[in-house]
Amino acid sequence: AQSVTQLDSQVPVFEEAPVELRCNYSSSVSVYLFWYVQYPNQGLQLLLKYLSGSTLVKGINGFEAEFNKSQTSFHLRKPSVHISDTAEYFCAVSLNTDKLIFGTGTRLQVFP
Amino acid sequence: DARVTQTPRHKVTEMGQEVTMRCQPILGHNTVFWYRQTMMQGLELLAYFRNRAPLDDSGMPKDRFSAEMPDATLATLKIQPSEPRDSAVYFCASGLGQAPGYNEQFFGPGTRLTVL
Repeated sequence: AQSVTQLDSQVPVFEEAPVELRCNYSSSVSVYLFWYVQYPNQGLQLLLKYLSGSTLVKGINGFEAEFNKSQTSFHLRKPSVHISDTAEYFCAVSLNTDKLIFGTGTRLQVFP
Repeated sequence: DARVTQTPRHKVTEMGQEVTMRCQPILGHNTVFWYRQTMMQGLELLAYFRNRAPLDDSGMPKDRFSAEMPDATLATLKIQPSEPRDSAVYFCASGLGQAPGYNEQFFGPGTRLTVL
């Protein structure tokens, strides 16, 4: 069965610094990969998704992620974070179904 | 601005009471999901529907939880009787369901349930 691992439960970073949020998945077949963001007291919002094609995917708010099949990873990056990026970030995977399997989330805390 | 709406946003109730949460999916979306989010368990899929028919409710405690779609514009999640361990934020999400696997799910703001 597929699963998603987000190794870092919290990532503190100063404003304008780069950040990488790690995500690894396990699956013996091809998967679709997603990153969602949850701001305080809100629902989840899609940041970006990888379906096929280019392994570098660009999303909203300046985020991007790279699919690495050999390492079964889909790490999320941003070259320069803002205070407003403080939120919880969820990596998710799906096979060819509607169901998403979510990781446990990474809380990004951006400090001034 | 199309969005998923959920009511109520907050609910405090006593153990043993019935709780009903409602969700209005985005117009035109044919897939609806119910999730529960807690600190301990994270985000769990409880059930989902396509074209109002339940496709998977394996994540839902069957003895006290029930989910329905009376029509295409309303999904309900009911807990009867409620227990303190049901305290969580319940999210509804909807999607187009055109191509299983990579459709974006649009989340509502959630219902924060507290069972005393």
